[in-house]
Amino acid sequence: DAGVTQSPTHLIKTRGQHVTLRCSPISGHKSVSWYQQVLGQGPQFIFQYYEKEERGRGNFPDRFSARQFPNYSSELNVNALLLGDSALYLCASSLEGDSYNSPLHFGNGTRLTVT
Amino acid sequence: QQQVKQSPQSLIVQKGGISIINCAYENTAFDYFPWYQQFPGKGPALLIAIRPDVSEKKEGRFTISFNKSAKQFSLHIMDSQPGDSATYFCAASIFSAGGSYIPTFGRGTSLIVHP
Repeated sequence: DAGVTQSPTHLIKTRGQHVTLRCSPISGHKSVSWYQQVLGQGPQFIFQYYEKEERGRGNFPDRFSARQFPNYSSELNVNALLLGDSALYLCASSLEGDSYNSPLHFGNGTRLTVT
Repeated sequence: QQQVKQSPQSLIVQKGGISIINCAYENTAFDYFPWYQQFPGKGPALLIAIRPDVSEKKEGRFTISFNKSAKQFSLHIMDSQPGDSATYFCAASIFSAGGSYIPTFGRGTSLIVHP
């Protein structure tokens, strides 16, 4: 079975630019969530979508936005990139959000470097 | 404000030894407590999880101990093996106003098991 796939795997951008990260969930999973993992830290929650509706938003600036498509894939967009946005961006899918009966399955992430 | 505190930051054990990682939380509304294992270059993978109505859960060499009154939970890895060398994250999930469970992760523990 295909796991959660993310693209691209690596990305280098310049300050002020815009970036779009993509995620395809496991087949049958209707929830996708996004996390930022800075080196040496745990993942920080950014967004969660279920059935194309936003169900949760973490403490991130409005430069961060996301959406979920009818096929349940998702995009994370970041505008006006800052050096501090350099991180591993993880996508996770689940049946209906993170719970005992609906655990998260993570992709291997997109490594974003902002110079 | 860090809602899930994880310790130690790093841990070195000998092959065959017991690895113990501890986490403490503040919000009593958390109701799902998973542990994740992450290898370099990979996304986190669910290892084992527990609900707060259970004091202990064991799966193979991995055991979660949960103390609801103390708001603490821990991961025990018995007979630790070099292949267990990875970063381990505890997490706690809460049902949000948006209608979905949102996780908060600890900062991670880097485990090294010497042969």
